[in-house]
Amino acid sequence: GESVGLHLPTLSVQEGDNSIINCAYSNSASDYFIWYKQESGKGPQFIIDIRSNMDKRQGQRVTVLLNKTVKHLSLQIAATQPGDSAVYFCAEPPKGNSGNTPLVFGKGTRLSVIA
Amino acid sequence: DTGVSQDPRHKITKRGQNVTFRCDPISEHNRLYWYRQTLGQGPEFLTYFQNEAQLEKSRLLSDRFSAERPKGSFSTLEIQRTEQGDSAMYLCASSLGTSGWGNEQFFGPGTRLTVL
Repeated sequence: GESVGLHLPTLSVQEGDNSIINCAYSNSASDYFIWYKQESGKGPQFIIDIRSNMDKRQGQRVTVLLNKTVKHLSLQIAATQPGDSAVYFCAEPPKGNSGNTPLVFGKGTRLSVIA
Repeated sequence: DTGVSQDPRHKITKRGQNVTFRCDPISEHNRLYWYRQTLGQGPEFLTYFQNEAQLEKSRLLSDRFSAERPKGSFSTLEIQRTEQGDSAMYLCASSLGTSGWGNEQFFGPGTRLTVL
């Protein structure tokens, strides 16, 4: 079965609020995680990644937090905008490999931004 | 556009027919991946290439599926004797494939297959 999964299938937030999308994983040896954004009719787009030797990584308006103790990671989007509406996937390489191998994706969370 | 391109974007076929999809990766990328995505699910890995060599095939890739990357550039995915269960979005991705971490996979827009 899949080693990554999502807590919530849908999330609705008001424009300007912060969004938090969660993901759980089961393999304690997992070493690398990636967040992808997929807009309707498009392929997934890389957002941010994190390695297991980090607890936090920040990008532009996005932050990924990794809690290895409970095998959980989250994607935080600051000041959510209508353009952030999409399905968000967490993904990881299988068997603790690096990012140069096929990825295992979770089912995704649909984020809807209310204007 | 220098991103990953896929052709066709949409394909409707009758059960039992053969279909072929094409993927053109980013030109300097030596790794090419095929994924399948059904409605409400994340992409699932099918197969991938390092240059022209096919490195791995998922158990999802039945013997009706074949993929090639003859010159290490574009790739084709053929499905023979299509079944209704093959209806899905077929995504192609490419990456640099160098050693180390964080070689981002860039995805194409996908080919949506509908088998009637």
